[in-house]
Amino acid sequence: IAGITQAPTSQILAAGRRMTLRCTQDMRHNAMYWYRQDLGLGLRLIHYSNTAGTTGKGEVPDGYSVSRANTDDFPLTLASAVPSQTSVYFCASGQGANGELFFGEGSRLTVL
Amino acid sequence: GQNIDQPTEMTATEGAIVQINCTYQTSGFNGLFWYQQHAGEAPTFLSYNVLDGLEEKGRFSSFLSRSKGYSYLLLKELQMKDSASYLCAAMDSNYQLIWGAGTKLIIKP
Repeated sequence: IAGITQAPTSQILAAGRRMTLRCTQDMRHNAMYWYRQDLGLGLRLIHYSNTAGTTGKGEVPDGYSVSRANTDDFPLTLASAVPSQTSVYFCASGQGANGELFFGEGSRLTVL
Repeated sequence: GQNIDQPTEMTATEGAIVQINCTYQTSGFNGLFWYQQHAGEAPTFLSYNVLDGLEEKGRFSSFLSRSKGYSYLLLKELQMKDSASYLCAAMDSNYQLIWGAGTKLIIKP
C-alpha cells in the first residue's frame, strides 16, 4: 500500500513558469490538504478539500489553485511561479474532523 | 488571533526524559495533536488529546489542560532515533489545524 504519493520530489523552476505538484492517495480518505513548510514557520495550509468535488482556501492561498475531480487525486498548481513560493510542499489526507493526517514525502520547489 | 507557541530547540541525553511544552490560542478547540518529523521527511502522527489529562502510548505520553491552553509531550528512555522535530497543532472550531513552528530535539549520547 503506497499511502500518499507526491511528485515531483524536487524541482527547480524559473519565475513565471507554470507548475503542477501531483498528489495521489489510495486510502479512500475524504479530506485532502496542501501545506507549505518554511524554515522557522509552522505548516501553513494553502488549500483543502473535504470531499471530491469541493475545495476551500486555507491560510495562504494566493498564487495557488487546486482541483478535486475524484477521491484519490488533489493536484496543486502554481499559475506563474514567484521566488517567494520556494518552499517544501506537503500533501496530506485524513478522514476529516478529529482524524490524524497522513502526509506525503514532500515536494521541494525552488523558484529562481 | 490564533497562535501556537513551542520552544525552538531542546537538547537531552540518551536514556533521559524530556518534556516539550506547547501553548495554544485558537478560536474554539477540537483537539491537540503532536507529530514527529525527522529531517527531510514527512510529519507522522504521534498523539491526539481532546479531553484533559494524560494519554500514554509506550515511551511517549501527551498531556492536555484545556483551561490553561497548554499541552506537553513527554518522551521517556530517549533513544538517538528520537532526534527530530516535534510539531504541536491545535484544531480550531472550523476543524482546521493551527501548527506550531516545531521543536527541534537534539539527543546527545
